[in-house]
Amino acid sequence: DGGITQSPKYLFRKEGQNVTLSCEQNLNHDAMYWYRQDPGQGLRLIYYSQIVNDFQKGDIAEGYSVSREKKESFPLTVTSAQKNPTAFYLCASKVGTEAFFGQGTRLTVV
Amino acid sequence: AQSVTQLDSHVSVSEGTPVLLRCNYSSSYSPSLFWYVQHPNKGLQLLLKYTSAATLVKGINGFEAEFKKSETSFHLTKPSAHMSDAAEYFCVVSFYNQGGKLIFGQGTELSVKP
Repeated sequence: DGGITQSPKYLFRKEGQNVTLSCEQNLNHDAMYWYRQDPGQGLRLIYYSQIVNDFQKGDIAEGYSVSREKKESFPLTVTSAQKNPTAFYLCASKVGTEAFFGQGTRLTVV
Repeated sequence: AQSVTQLDSHVSVSEGTPVLLRCNYSSSYSPSLFWYVQHPNKGLQLLLKYTSAATLVKGINGFEAEFKKSETSFHLTKPSAHMSDAAEYFCVVSFYNQGGKLIFGQGTELSVKP
């Protein structure tokens, strides 16, 4: 089945640690996105990539980093510089006007 | 500035009654418009989309939405709510002049009472 796979589903991080969230797609889409979701705030764009080896900052990129070395993979690293990382993270890929979403990763700082 | 506003953060209906979730957008350009649904701790699923064809758009699970350019609205409706419709709904706008960037509304939580 084609789709977007995010892993892990739940992730716990100690303060001061970097963690990496995985996003893999087999839809052959060029564009991929990372969103952060907090209660009552909708989805906010962290980073996006429209082609391999290229990516741009979204609205809330501070404290995050990404790479796009392969078309099918777009991992997100939450660094220790992100002051409030506890949230639900969604990865998406897009073709034309339609976006497809993964099932999300819930990150909790302990 | 281009934006999207969902007018209700929470809507509660009884099973079998109509559903109306309201969405307005602000744009100088013709947008593509979408409604997505999200069940708890899940990803987003596309319900329907408008991309400048018919103004009345039919989606999955009996939902439909009407694009009204004069009112800059794209409200989501369903004639009869089902318990399984309880979820969060997002109105989303995409503008070609912004490289297809998606702009999300704040979300409307739909509750369905038995």
